[in-house]
Amino acid sequence: NAGVMQNPRHLVRRRGQEARLRCSPMKGHSHVYWYRQLPEEGLKFMVYLQKENIIDESGMPKERFSAEFPKEGPSILRIQQVVRGDSAAYFCASSPLAGGQNIQYFGAGTRLSVL
Amino acid sequence: GESVGLHLPTLSVQEGDNSIINCAYSNSASDYFIWYKQESGKGPQFIIDIRSNMDKRQGQRVTVLLNKTVKHLSLQIAATQPGDSAVYFCAENEPSTGANNLFFGTGTRLTVIP
Repeated sequence: NAGVMQNPRHLVRRRGQEARLRCSPMKGHSHVYWYRQLPEEGLKFMVYLQKENIIDESGMPKERFSAEFPKEGPSILRIQQVVRGDSAAYFCASSPLAGGQNIQYFGAGTRLSVL
Repeated sequence: GESVGLHLPTLSVQEGDNSIINCAYSNSASDYFIWYKQESGKGPQFIIDIRSNMDKRQGQRVTVLLNKTVKHLSLQIAATQPGDSAVYFCAENEPSTGANNLFFGTGTRLTVIP
């Protein structure tokens, strides 16, 4: 079974450009989570989505960041007008069930570098 | 959410010895905990989980201990191998927030000396 797939693995953008990060959950999983990780730090929750719904976006910056999980296709994390502070590793996780007591399985991440 | 912290940022152990990685959490309402292993350049990999109605759980070469009285969690790795070298994170879920997300600690870097 394929795990959580993220692409691209590495993404380089200049300040002001847009970044689009994609995540395909594990087969059978309909719950997707996005996290951000700075070097030498833990993962910070950004957003939790189910198909076509944003359930919890309490960790998302108010501006420039958005996420979606359409009925068909991968989940997308979109960062508009990137700034150098957006440089980080972005991880996607998926789980088969709702609720907090469920294992989240992570992808390999997208490393965003903003020049 | 409440913070999840680790006592030691780095840990070096001799190959074959046992490793103990500690984690303190501050929210007594947290009811579910997971340990993840993250190797360089990779995503977190699930190791073992434990619910708050348990105080010990064992897996293959790993044991997680939960002490709710002092809000402390530990991961024990038996007969540590070079392949165990990684950063280890504990993560917690706090149901009162209504959240389905996990709160991660800073991590402990484990280095195994051959």
